[in-house]
Amino acid sequence: EVQLLESGGGLVQPGGSLRLSCAGSGFTFSSCAMNWVRQAPGKGLQWVSGLSGGGSNTYYADSVKGRFSISRDNSKNMVYLQMNRLRAEDTAIYFCAKETGPSSGYYNYDYWGQGTLVTVSS
Amino acid sequence: SYALTQPPSVSVAPGETARITCGGNTIGDKSVHWYQQRPGQAPVLVISYDGDRPSGIPERFSGSNSENTATLTISRVEAGDEADYYCQVWDDSSDHWVFGGGTKLTVL
Repeated sequence: EVQLLESGGGLVQPGGSLRLSCAGSGFTFSSCAMNWVRQAPGKGLQWVSGLSGGGSNTYYADSVKGRFSISRDNSKNMVYLQMNRLRAEDTAIYFCAKETGPSSGYYNYDYWGQGTLVTVSS
Repeated sequence: SYALTQPPSVSVAPGETARITCGGNTIGDKSVHWYQQRPGQAPVLVISYDGDRPSGIPERFSGSNSENTATLTISRVEAGDEADYYCQVWDDSSDHWVFGGGTKLTVL
C-alpha cells in the first residue's frame, strides 16, 4: 500500500524557518517525481515545488523561489522542503504528492499525503 | 504565467449531470488532470490525461479537452460527489504545475 506521511509543521514567527519532511512507502521511491502543494485556509490548491526522481531537477513556484528548497534522500525514501524567511502568506496545509513517473511534468499525482499545517504568525 | 479558470461553484440535483469547466489558453494542447477534494481530506485523482479514469473511480466520471476548455463531467450525480474539484496542467514554458482555482460541487 502506497503511503505518504508528512511531518514538521508547526507555528513559526515571520522571518523564521521550518523543515518539512515526507516519508514514502509502498512504491519505488526513486522512480517517482515528488511535489509539495499547499492550501491556505479556505483557499484552493497551490503548487509549491517539485523534484525529479533522481533529484537532479528542481522546480519552484515564483512565490517561494529563493526562500524554499526541495531535496530528497532516496536511500531513506524521504523528501524535504526547507522553508526560510517565512511570511504570513505561507500559512497553509502542505501536502506531499507523488507523480507516477520520474520526470516532473509528464505525469499526474496519483497519491497524496494527509498534509501538515504550517502557521506563520507572531 | 499560465492561468486556469474554473467556475467557483456548480449545483445539480441528484441523478442529474454536472459539468465543471477549466479554461486556459490552448488548453487542448496540454494534458489535463482532475482532482476531487472532500472537506478535511487530501485530494484524489479522478481523471488523468484529459479523459482517463484511474482504477476505482466510477464510470460516471469522464473528461474531455478541446481548444480552450477542458470539462469534467459527472453523470448521475450522487450526494457523495459533493466536493471541490480542481483541474491541473503542466506549463512547459515555465516548468510549473498549475492548478485551477477550484469548483465547489453542491448536490441539491
